[in-house]
This record gives sequence, structure tokens and C-alpha cells, in this order.
Amino acid sequence: EADIYQTPRYLVIGTGKKITLECSQTMGHDKMYWYQQDPGMELHLIHYSYGVNSTEKGDLSSESTVSRIRTEHFPLTLESARPSHTSQYLCASSVPGTPYGYTFGSGTRLTVV
Amino acid sequence: KNQVEQSPQSLIILEGKNCTLQCNYTVSPFSNLRWYKQDTGRGPVSLTIMTFSENTKSNGRYTATLDADTKQSSLHITASQLSDSASYICVVSDRGSTLGRLYFGRGTQLTVWP
Repeated sequence: EADIYQTPRYLVIGTGKKITLECSQTMGHDKMYWYQQDPGMELHLIHYSYGVNSTEKGDLSSESTVSRIRTEHFPLTLESARPSHTSQYLCASSVPGTPYGYTFGSGTRLTVV
Repeated sequence: KNQVEQSPQSLIILEGKNCTLQCNYTVSPFSNLRWYKQDTGRGPVSLTIMTFSENTKSNGRYTATLDADTKQSSLHITASQLSDSASYICVVSDRGSTLGRLYFGRGTQLTVWP
């Protein structure tokens, strides 16, 4: 059972609204990630963090921002949602130095109308 | 360019039958290859992880193979069940950076019919 939690699971919101997608993990992992996935497409890394106060942009340009104030918490924020932001957002965490223990959350399906 | 290609894009099989999914990659330098199962609307769940020196690994009815020379992997599912219906994603990690960057395939959408 995954120990990484994302809320909400589904979100439908109007254009221009500010939203925050929550991601929390209880495994004490230093590394955390946000991916964006459109239907039938591969996951794209949009943000990652090596630890507290560390955040970096990923491969895919995103208008979202992230913060890492606590090890277990890695929220993603969109200041002004647009229909182009409609997608599935997946959070993940991992242990450095090993491929094992790379765990994904269940995702947030965001629809901007 | 580092890429991961999966085939087929989609597959329909009858319950109880076996199937094999393919993954070709160009990621270099290679670190490990992972197969994930992703149910609709859920996050990916790890099935197997193989490093350079491993050429086969099993997890119940799932058996993955790796040929690092030809840069190919396969995932064999035995005696399929309705619950196997999902997207199966091949993920390759490089060892060229401290991030251990992951390269994702687009997945094979498997549907198992009763």
C-alpha cells in the first residue's frame, strides 16, 4: 500500500481560479516529484525536490509552482487555472541511490472549464 | 536522444490467455528498467525493476526480461485475469546524473475480456 497521498482525487474548476494540489508522504523520502500525464501519453516531469527548501523545474515547462517547507509535504500551485492545464497530476517520492522505493500517489485529475 | 518505445499501443486478449508486451529504449548510460502497472485514474504501481546485470525477473504472473545489448525488454503476463486490464508502462533510468532521470514510455493499454 502506497504511503504517498494526493488530494483532491478529482477537481473541476473555473478558468482564472487559484488551486493547490496537495501531496504528502509518510516514508521520510528526501526526493519528491510532480509529473503531468495526458491520456494515452507518457508522464512528464514538471517539478522535483531534493529536500526541504530545494525545488527545481523538470523537463516539461509548467506554469505551476511548488514549495517544500516540510520533508513530507510537496504542494503544487496554479495561480490562475486555464483549460490548457487540464490533465492528470501525479506526485512521487523516492530514496536516493536506489531504484527501489520509487512510489507514486494516486494522482489528481484536474479539469479547468 | 533518450527514448522509450513500447509496442503494441493497445492489446485485447481473452481471460486466461498469455501475452507479451515489448519495450525498446535508447537511454544511455543505462541504470535500470522498470515496468509499472497503471489502472485508469490511478498512479503507476511498480511490477519489476531490473539492473544491467539482471536479464529476467518475476513477480507472480508477471515476468520481465531484459537484453541490455539490444536494449530491449519484454513483460510477459501469464494466465491473464480481468484485473490485469490496465496500462503497462516501461520506464528506463539513466545514471548520468544525480537525479537518476526516468524516461517513460507511453504504455501499452491491455484489455482482458471475459
